[in-house]
Amino acid sequence: NAGVTQTPKFQVLKTGQSMTLQCAQDMNHEYMSWYRQDPGMGLRLIHYSVGAGITDQGEVPNGYNVSRSTTEDFPLRLLSAAPSQTSVYFCASSYRAGGSGTIYFGEGSWLTVV
Amino acid sequence: AQKITQTQPGMFVQEKEAVTLDCTYDTSDQSYGLFWYKQPSSGEMIFLIYQGSYDEQNATEGRYSLNFQKARKSANLVISASQLGDSAMYFCAMRGLIQGAQKLVFGQGTRLTINP
Repeated sequence: NAGVTQTPKFQVLKTGQSMTLQCAQDMNHEYMSWYRQDPGMGLRLIHYSVGAGITDQGEVPNGYNVSRSTTEDFPLRLLSAAPSQTSVYFCASSYRAGGSGTIYFGEGSWLTVV
Repeated sequence: AQKITQTQPGMFVQEKEAVTLDCTYDTSDQSYGLFWYKQPSSGEMIFLIYQGSYDEQNATEGRYSLNFQKARKSANLVISASQLGDSAMYFCAMRGLIQGAQKLVFGQGTRLTINP
């Protein structure tokens, strides 16, 4: 049981480059989400999905794009990277959006934009 | 608006002592859930404990317990008999209906240091 798998773990980008952070879960979870964590701060919600084909914006969506074509995968795309997007990114999933279901986190992706 | 407040940026505790990490929340919803996560220096988010808004008893998980005071909107984490391995960042989070959708909102965290 792999849980939530994020790749890559570390990435350095130049300003203006694009990239995709991959997230996959093998628990048949409906709800998946992306967070960013800046130094000394808690996690802030970027985008989330309540099922395949359904996505919506979170607290800090600008500069990011998502899609959910399958239940398992929820990639996060940076269209034109900016230094302000230097952060640690976490993908999370849970069986459903609400209730007591445990929320599982990936191990994080450290992104530096120079 | 839903909000989580952790007022203790850092705490220092002697090994084997109990420690309480404060968390207050603000929500107008009746149904919500409260979580505590531990983030060690390696960076991963480790689930510790969950409390539902309708749960009448305080949640417990081993050395962790959640002191849930609904009327005061507080959900403090209590760690009994602290260990050196408890040194980490601790985040309180609330899942509830925010702008029409279920979302998880985090506090800014408390850095706990256990001294030998």
